[in-house]
Amino acid sequence: SQQGEEDPQALSIQEGENATMNCSYKTSINNLQWYRQNSGRGLVHLILIRSNEREKHSGRLRVTLDTSKKSSSLLITASRAADTASYFCATDQENTPLVFGKGTRLSVIA
Amino acid sequence: KAGVTQTPRYLIKTRGQQVTLSCSPISGHRSVSWYQQTPGQGLQFLFEYFSETQRNKGNFPGRFSGRQFSNSRSEMNVSTLELGDSALYLCASSLDRVVNTEAFFGQGTRLTVV
Repeated sequence: SQQGEEDPQALSIQEGENATMNCSYKTSINNLQWYRQNSGRGLVHLILIRSNEREKHSGRLRVTLDTSKKSSSLLITASRAADTASYFCATDQENTPLVFGKGTRLSVIA
Repeated sequence: KAGVTQTPRYLIKTRGQQVTLSCSPISGHRSVSWYQQTPGQGLQFLFEYFSETQRNKGNFPGRFSGRQFSNSRSEMNVSTLELGDSALYLCASSLDRVVNTEAFFGQGTRLTVV
């Protein structure tokens, strides 16, 4: 069963704009991770945020985590056409596998 | 450092047949997980292996099985294939799932059952 649920399911923006994706989950977690998947290929790890962290940055990516609301957001600033992909959040609990949401499909139009 | 290698990349099988998929993790990684990805269900966890032991198993029928070898390479087997088994099967490796780390995914095996 899905632990994380991304919102929106699909997002279309112009190049240069910012893209925000949200993830909600149900139970307590150790960490939350974000992954990107280009069409029909493997997933690529973007960022991991621990349950005691509130915000993390990596290049043009900014992730926030609100454990009281059981939610996380991924912000991609100054988006590029190459950012077009599906983005997944995955929750991470002790001794359990990563559980993925169904993803947000991001389209960045040049 | 070589990434996670999955073979074959594409496979077409007939209903009722069986199939074996292979995954070679990143050198030094001892944990291998398998996921099934379909458009309707997203990424569904199949199994996780660590040091040749199955550590976790997802909610899939007994037709789905797997194993891990002493060199950490893993295989998964699906017997008596059904049309609904058509999916992208992804393998992920990590150093150790007990210590929370990122997972590195292979490119997947696209299985089509006809």
